[in-house]
Amino acid sequence: QKEVEQNSGPLSVPEGAIASLNCTYSDRVSQSFFWYRQYSGKSPELIMSIYSNGDKEDGRFTAQLNKASQYVSLLIRDSQPSDSATYLCAGGDTGFQKLVFGTGTRLLVSP
Amino acid sequence: EAQVTQNPRYLITVTGKKLTVTCSQNMNHEYMSWYRQDPGLGLRQIYYSMNVEVTDKGDVPEGYKVSRKEKRNFPLILESPSPNQTSLYFCASSWTGFDQPQHFGDGTRLSIL
Repeated sequence: QKEVEQNSGPLSVPEGAIASLNCTYSDRVSQSFFWYRQYSGKSPELIMSIYSNGDKEDGRFTAQLNKASQYVSLLIRDSQPSDSATYLCAGGDTGFQKLVFGTGTRLLVSP
Repeated sequence: EAQVTQNPRYLITVTGKKLTVTCSQNMNHEYMSWYRQDPGLGLRQIYYSMNVEVTDKGDVPEGYKVSRKEKRNFPLILESPSPNQTSLYFCASSWTGFDQPQHFGDGTRLSIL
């Protein structure tokens, strides 16, 4: 099992809909989860960080962490075409003291 | 403006010709790291540094060197580049470690012919 796994997509949603992005992780990844947005050819940009079980909301974005089921998700409400990008999930590997990234999910929001 | 600055942004060079990619941050961050990003493989850590004069290997360190003589600078050195090092490289920094939000530079696209 990869340490952090994401469906590569693309995930296609119409403008105004809710986009739901999911990420699962292995036993070695156990703290400090992050969602980054990356436009093509650009650098990753932090969207959300979440450290404990439950939901965390910031504007149109909600991150959800479920440690028992080992998944973390990102909900984007009222999706806009400008949200079209690749979303990277990352988690902290405390054993090897490193941040591990998933390969990303490509989101396409159509007008 | 808080930022991580990488140079050059683009470089095409030939096998065996030593090159250095510079990285500088102005946020007084202690933790800095280098990643490479390849299609289908995602971001993989090359080296990281917890503080001045403290560096350690990441997942893919072969063929790379780093140094951390000053807090703000963390150059990536390819002493004898090979075509398999053609990639998109990112420098990142955070306050104290891997478990905090990382601030990324704009990236350096390297092509080794």
